[in-house]
Amino acid sequence: AQSVTQLGSHVSVSEGALVLLRCNYSSSVPPYLFWYVQYPNQGLQLLLKYTSAATLVKGINGFEAEFKKSETSFHLTKPSAHMSDAAEYFCAVSKLYRDDKIIFGKGTRLHILP
Amino acid sequence: EAGVTQFPSHSVIEKGQTVTLRCDPISGHDNLYWYRRVMGKEIKFLLHFVKESKQDESGMPNNRFLAERTGGTYSTLKVQPAELEDSGVYFCASSQLSGGNEQYFGPGTRLTVT
Repeated sequence: AQSVTQLGSHVSVSEGALVLLRCNYSSSVPPYLFWYVQYPNQGLQLLLKYTSAATLVKGINGFEAEFKKSETSFHLTKPSAHMSDAAEYFCAVSKLYRDDKIIFGKGTRLHILP
Repeated sequence: EAGVTQFPSHSVIEKGQTVTLRCDPISGHDNLYWYRRVMGKEIKFLLHFVKESKQDESGMPNNRFLAERTGGTYSTLKVQPAELEDSGVYFCASSQLSGGNEQYFGPGTRLTVT
């Protein structure tokens, strides 16, 4: 079985500050791990994906995430927040090397304070 | 290249009526997935097509939901008869076979059952 827990349904950071969105996963098999973002009135967009090739994964818009197997974590970070980063972010898991359903966390809404 | 498209973007129907949602995947994507997000909850998997065949329909909530993918191109999801608890946003996603499970999402259809 697979599951994802995102800590914090809402996170607020000041513009220019570090963004840290936390995600812990559970998986009985090697996983793919994803971060998706949903901007207002849009669909989900893939930010980045862990495929077992490298533990530090760089994505679009300056985001990156680090896979830590010992902590079963896949936290999303960005060094300096922009107003345009305000959105809802979803951590997700699926089975490695399989075309399979994706299991999503409940989402974290990121607010950027001016 | 066109992304995943969904129609309609919004639908408001009364309890007991029928609604049909449509999804057009990215051209050449043999995998097609349906997901749903009920308000306040996480995005949940409904079913997965590979071409015209149902690969996994374990997430379909009950027999009021019928999904088809004739000819392996676009897909429809029919809800008949609709109930209040069917309200939510229905997302469609598509991916290439053995493409690292990178699923591309459409903008969703917001269904409101009154």
